Amino acid sequence: ETGVTQSPTHLIKTRGQQVTLRCSSQSGHNTVSWYQQALGQGPQFIFQYYREEENGRGNFPPRFSGLQFPNYSSELNVNALELDDSALYLCASSSSGGIDNEQFFGPGTRLTVL
Amino acid sequence: GENVEQHPSTLSVQEGDSAVIKCTYSDSASNYFPWYKQELGKGPQLIIDIRSNVGEKKDQRIAVTLNKTAKHFSLHITETQPEDSAVYFCAASIRGGNQFYFGTGTSLTVIP
Repeated sequence: ETGVTQSPTHLIKTRGQQVTLRCSSQSGHNTVSWYQQALGQGPQFIFQYYREEENGRGNFPPRFSGLQFPNYSSELNVNALELDDSALYLCASSSSGGIDNEQFFGPGTRLTVL
Repeated sequence: GENVEQHPSTLSVQEGDSAVIKCTYSDSASNYFPWYKQELGKGPQLIIDIRSNVGEKKDQRIAVTLNKTAKHFSLHITETQPEDSAVYFCAASIRGGNQFYFGTGTSLTVIP
């Protein structure tokens, strides 16, 4: 069974740029959730994708957007990067929409905005 | 929305001693409470979870207790080992919801 993978592992961008982060869900999982984890903090929910549709969103502005593909992999796009966007971005996959099942996290992408 | 508070923020114990981490939540509709362990440079790993219809759950050296009336739940690690050193997060999810609300984490250090 393949676990959750994310790419790239590290990324450095400058303020105002755009970034795309990628996530491959665990085999058999059709739901992907994205979280932002600032240094020393717990993860904060950005949004969830279930069967290629957004299935809930946290308190993040529209410049955070996403996609889910037919193979259930997912992308997180962030436009007009700000310094405060520097964080570890985590994706988690689960076997159905909603939250009643375990979520399995990937290793994360460390984004630094200069 | 839900608000999860976690204490302490740091915890040091001697190898072999027990460690206890406590969390409180605000929304009585929360019904699922996972605990995650995060090692440096890695994503959170689920170590144990509990649902609101259960008061206690144990898995070898790890146990979780839930008090729905008081809206708090705790992680207990017995016979701690150096490899238990990591950051531990509690989380809660609301029935019918689609996100986890995480605590701010506890950095556990087990001193050999």
